[in-house]
Amino acid sequence: GAVVSQHPSRVICKSGTSVKIECRSLDFQATTMFWYRQFPKQSLMLMATSNEGSKATYEQGVEKDKFLINHASLTLSTLTVTSAHPEDSSFYICSASTSGGAEETQYFGPGTRLLVL
Amino acid sequence: DAKTTQPPSMDCAEGRAANLPCNHSTISGNEYVYWYRQIHSQGPQYIIHGLKNNETNEMASLIITEDRKSSTLILPHATLRDTAVYYCIVRPYNTDKLIFGTGTRLQVFP
Repeated sequence: GAVVSQHPSRVICKSGTSVKIECRSLDFQATTMFWYRQFPKQSLMLMATSNEGSKATYEQGVEKDKFLINHASLTLSTLTVTSAHPEDSSFYICSASTSGGAEETQYFGPGTRLLVL
Repeated sequence: DAKTTQPPSMDCAEGRAANLPCNHSTISGNEYVYWYRQIHSQGPQYIIHGLKNNETNEMASLIITEDRKSSTLILPHATLRDTAVYYCIVRPYNTDKLIFGTGTRLQVFP
């Protein structure tokens, strides 16, 4: 199956700093990538959808100025958590799909655990 | 968007078949049923998907009722490594989005 990687796998940062998370599709070109957030004992919550070369589409309630998403190439999307605060501590997961369509399958990365002190 | 209903938890003995039900009574005719699972502290793993017909792959089988209002994921010989949260998702036909519900926590015991 298709492989999606994330880097870093875990990160600890101080409150007020920014953190960048990378999501890469290793063996396929991803025209669309998705970013999710998951708090402990909860399900995944979709944050935004990004298409290569265009602005991301954010879900309701997700601050676009706080969670900056860049999808500059067909194999790389980045999520930057700006001015991170302890409440941003969470498990961030990306997924990628190819050309879209009714039967398109999303493949997920292993996730990045963010802890803001 | 079609909602799904799954039991919050299930147990299964190792080596036995695990049958995970999912209700999606409001599904539209062109919406696919997807199954993913998430092992603790990992990203979700794709298992299988289907539209109308039953599907089988190396991981599992998907049985969809004729009226498409429910489906069952079957793991034919569960192992301890199949312990995970299993998500049944109905994907809207006009979007790539996957909206995760609460899933079923499957515990496989020795």
